[in-house]
Amino acid sequence: EAQVTQNPRYLITVTGKKLTVTCSQNMNHEYMSWYRQDPGLGLRQIYYSMNVEVTDKGDVPEGYKVSRKEKRNFPLILESPSPNQTSLYFCASSWARGSNEQFFGPGTRLTVL
Amino acid sequence: RKEVEQDPGPFNVPEGATVAFNCTYSNSASQSFFWYRQDCRKEPKLLMSVYSSGNEDGRFTAQLNRASQYISLLIRDSKLSDSATYLCVVNGRSNTDKLIFGTGTRLQVFP
Repeated sequence: EAQVTQNPRYLITVTGKKLTVTCSQNMNHEYMSWYRQDPGLGLRQIYYSMNVEVTDKGDVPEGYKVSRKEKRNFPLILESPSPNQTSLYFCASSWARGSNEQFFGPGTRLTVL
Repeated sequence: RKEVEQDPGPFNVPEGATVAFNCTYSNSASQSFFWYRQDCRKEPKLLMSVYSSGNEDGRFTAQLNRASQYISLLIRDSKLSDSATYLCVVNGRSNTDKLIFGTGTRLQVFP
């Protein structure tokens, strides 16, 4: 089954404790991205990757890091989480950046205390 | 002005009703347009792409008006299962530019 998976689905953590949210897709997509979704603000792009070893900042990259060592995986790293990073996070993949359907993972609900 | 604007709703309609949502976008160079559906606390999923000539998929009809820079979604014969948030999505400046998501319009269909 074609899908995007994310782990963990739910996470409660404390300020400053490094964490990683994993994302994996099995559709051989080149383009992957991370979004956060907050009430009233919609989906905002954090980082994206056009291919292996090619990553770039989205609209709200501060406080986040990503890597793309393999085509299928695109982890999101929060080196020192803060309460304003409490949000619902989605990973997405597609064949291309702007003209194709994006397939989303099920989301990760993160709470930073 | 936001790049993509939608009425947040909620739109509360009875089963069987016809309901329409509009969405305006600011960049006249945008090339690709979509409607996504998002159920509560779930991931967005593509509902339909929007083509210049307008397109229909069952009870759903999407229209694009480039001159006025808006997109519409019409849902006929609403079902309870149509209750969701509908996201208007536009690409930035070209087909290689990022997708920009509206904040969504919430639809609640009641019996």
